[in-house]
Amino acid sequence: NFMLTQPHSVSESPGKTVTISCTRSSGSIASSYVQWYQQRPGSAPTTIIYEHNQRPSGVPDRFSGSIDSSSNSASLTISGLRTEDEADYYCQSYDSSNPLVVFGGGTKLTVL
Amino acid sequence: QVQLVQSGAEVKKPGASVKVSCKASGYTFTGYYIHWVRQAPGQGLEWMGWINPNSGATNYAQKFQGRVTLTRDTSITTAYMELSGLRSDDTAVYYCARHVGSAYWFDPWGQGTLVTVSS
Repeated sequence: NFMLTQPHSVSESPGKTVTISCTRSSGSIASSYVQWYQQRPGSAPTTIIYEHNQRPSGVPDRFSGSIDSSSNSASLTISGLRTEDEADYYCQSYDSSNPLVVFGGGTKLTVL
Repeated sequence: QVQLVQSGAEVKKPGASVKVSCKASGYTFTGYYIHWVRQAPGQGLEWMGWINPNSGATNYAQKFQGRVTLTRDTSITTAYMELSGLRSDDTAVYYCARHVGSAYWFDPWGQGTLVTVSS
């Protein structure tokens, strides 16, 4: 199986742009879709990106996702940062072997 | 609207079992797999397994095989997660989530159920 590695924390100022990476340890990042979830303190996760770069309805276009085969990683980019974006962000993908579903360790975004 | 509502917090002693429910509404219950994911205090998300509410088929993460049982009752559109042989490191928030599409993404999630294992 593979692991997804995220930075433990990132911080940026309101109005700026931040990118969170998610690096796959083995196998191609393009071989299975990557999702991104936002989790605010005390709340359940919610989907902000699915299938690498798709946004569910209601998610603002300030959030975008991409993959980079050269670095075997996925990225979540948030532009025009707002204080309400302060949360934990998790990437997730899947494999054919057990465990089927793999989560990254999560990244704490601080907007200050 | 599509919603998953879970049962309330539980406190259990080591060695006991816990059964958490996940009531689905707003969609065809048998049309979407239900996954279970847990989150220990201050930690990340950990996948436990899925159930196909239509057939009852299950798939468990290797780490939990032998200790976790996923079931469902289609008459009341409810899925269940039972974890046995509880240990202190099973203390966590347990979430159910609906599997959407072919890409294993989850939407929505239940609100979570805190299970505390303490003597």
